Amino acid sequence: AQSVTQLGSHVSVSEGALVLLRCNYSSSVPPYLFWYVQYPNQGLQLLLKYTSAATLVKGINGFEAEFKKSETSFHLTKPSAHMSDAAEYFCAVSDGNAGNMLTFGGGTRLMVKP
Amino acid sequence: KAGVTQTPRYLIKTRGQQVTLSCSPISGHRSVSWYQQTPGQGLQFLFEYFSETQRNKGNFPGRFSGRQFSNSRSEMNVSTLELGDSALYLCASSLPGEPSTDTQYFGPGTRLTVL
Repeated sequence: AQSVTQLGSHVSVSEGALVLLRCNYSSSVPPYLFWYVQYPNQGLQLLLKYTSAATLVKGINGFEAEFKKSETSFHLTKPSAHMSDAAEYFCAVSDGNAGNMLTFGGGTRLMVKP
Repeated sequence: KAGVTQTPRYLIKTRGQQVTLSCSPISGHRSVSWYQQTPGQGLQFLFEYFSETQRNKGNFPGRFSGRQFSNSRSEMNVSTLELGDSALYLCASSLPGEPSTDTQYFGPGTRLTVL
């Protein structure tokens, strides 16, 4: 069984500061990992995904994440927060044997202060 | 290219009724997945359909069912609604590429309220 833990249900940063959203996973098989963002009253939008190629993955809007197998982590970072980054972020894992089924973490709401 | 569309966007039902939600995937996409999003349980996988066949199913009671048509459009049905079924129901579609790594494109969701 797979699981995803996102530390911190709410994270607040100042505009221009580093964004760090934490994600740890548990998987019995090599995982495929995803970060999605959800803006109010909208669906989910893919930020980036790790599919066993490069461990440092670059995504849209300046976000990136690094897959660390030894730490079972896939933390999301952005060097400089922008007001438009305020949203809810979800980390998800996919089992290579279960089609497109995603197991999501509980989500982290990012607030950006001016 | 149009994105994933879901209808209706908002729905209010009463306990005991049934409801059908519709999802139209992006043109060319053949896999459609459904998720339930609630404040308490978060995002949970309901089921996935590929080429009109259910490929995976989450841990939900039999009141939740779905189907996919030959044009890849999908519907999900919830019978005998309960208050706890109030949620945002999200549909996602993807190309028929490599499962597990495919990018899933989500629709805006259907907000179901059960009174």
